[in-house]
Amino acid sequence: SQTIHQWPATLVQPVGSPLSLECTVEGTSNPNLYWYRQAAGRGLQLLFYSVGIGQISSEVPQNLSASRPQDRQFILSSKKLLLSDSGFYLCAWRPSGVGEQFFGPGTRLTVL
Amino acid sequence: SQQGEEDPQALSIQEGENATMNCSYKTSINNLQWYRQNSGRGLVHLILIRSNEREKHSGRLRVTLDTSKKSSSLLITASRAADTASYFCATDAWNAGNMLTFGGGTRLMVKP
Repeated sequence: SQTIHQWPATLVQPVGSPLSLECTVEGTSNPNLYWYRQAAGRGLQLLFYSVGIGQISSEVPQNLSASRPQDRQFILSSKKLLLSDSGFYLCAWRPSGVGEQFFGPGTRLTVL
Repeated sequence: SQQGEEDPQALSIQEGENATMNCSYKTSINNLQWYRQNSGRGLVHLILIRSNEREKHSGRLRVTLDTSKKSSSLLITASRAADTASYFCATDAWNAGNMLTFGGGTRLMVKP
């Protein structure tokens, strides 16, 4: 069966510090991978998606970047965090962009 | 821009009552999906309805789709306190590539 992991679960970082959130998927190959951000009590904002290794598409201009160094690994990064980067970050995968999407447990990021 | 918009934004009912949430969208879709999110957790897929389907059932869930009105509804019958969560619709549009577009969600509270 397929599983998706995200870590860390929670993170408190000072403004200006770097960020690295990792997401890995098990039990499938060549998944489409997605990073979303969710503000408190709000909907999901798609940040990045990837259809293959090294292929990253950005949906919104921002302070963040993403990379996919391996087929089932998706990393969200920032060189210098802003207060506005606070939020709940969700990783998700989808088999070749068809059907339902499977979400990780999320990372709660607080930038102080 | 959000493809799906849920209505109402928040709903409070008593245990045993039915809960109805609506979703409107703007462009032609391949399918529409409903997800549930418990507080502080990832989203969980509930049901997918294809554009050529009008109604679908899964346990206490009933989803309808009206492509002429570009709208869908999710009905939860005989609600339970454990149904308390946020519910999101997501559209899989023909022109959206490999991405689902999520609405802002309906926050459902079921009082025991």
